Amino acid sequence: SAVISQKPSRDICQRGTSLTIQCQVDSQVTMMFWYRQQPGQSLTLIATANQGSEATYESGFVIDKFPISRPNLTFSTLTVSNMSPEDSSIYLCSGGTATYEQYFGPGTRLTVT
Amino acid sequence: AQSVTQPDIHITVSEGASLELRCNYSYGATPYLFWYVQSPGQGLQLLLKYFSGDTLVQGIEGFEAEFKRSQSSFNLRKPSVHWSDAAEYFCAVYGGATNKLIFGTGTLLAVQP
Repeated sequence: SAVISQKPSRDICQRGTSLTIQCQVDSQVTMMFWYRQQPGQSLTLIATANQGSEATYESGFVIDKFPISRPNLTFSTLTVSNMSPEDSSIYLCSGGTATYEQYFGPGTRLTVT
Repeated sequence: AQSVTQPDIHITVSEGASLELRCNYSYGATPYLFWYVQSPGQGLQLLLKYFSGDTLVQGIEGFEAEFKRSQSSFNLRKPSVHWSDAAEYFCAVYGGATNKLIFGTGTLLAVQP
């Protein structure tokens, strides 16, 4: 299985600020994804991180709010911008392999006050 | 459109009892199916996957799942549940050309001593 690391593991942030989450994957991964998991909910895909180009966002998510970078094959960042309490969630990074499995990082637990 | 339904939101079983978690999918072609487990405060761990071939697949930690095309189901089973199995379980289907995983809403498993 692929190894995915993510940091920070948790943070408490003030309204109006931004937080950047980092994700590192091992070399088995070909695709990288960012998900949001609101309390007691399932996972919602935010975007697919594309190496060297703009991420592909899902409906309801925009680049201005969730800018994503993927400068190389094994690293990506997600920024949650201009945060509000509604952004309090778990943010999960995953790596997809050539055989369609996705492996997940431990998540970043964000609380916005 | 592809979708996954997990009819049971919460299930409680006694330790040592058998377990079956239900998953139904909607997908036009032969699906790639997955079960993930999320322990409290953790990311998602891949339990098992089905791509093709034998419809009974074995996973980690004694879990298995059976693909039944006629019922569009991929139910997860374990013959004897341990207290450490208490977690949330997610079924997912690979979305084909979209390269996305589509998740069910999850089943929260509680284990009684």
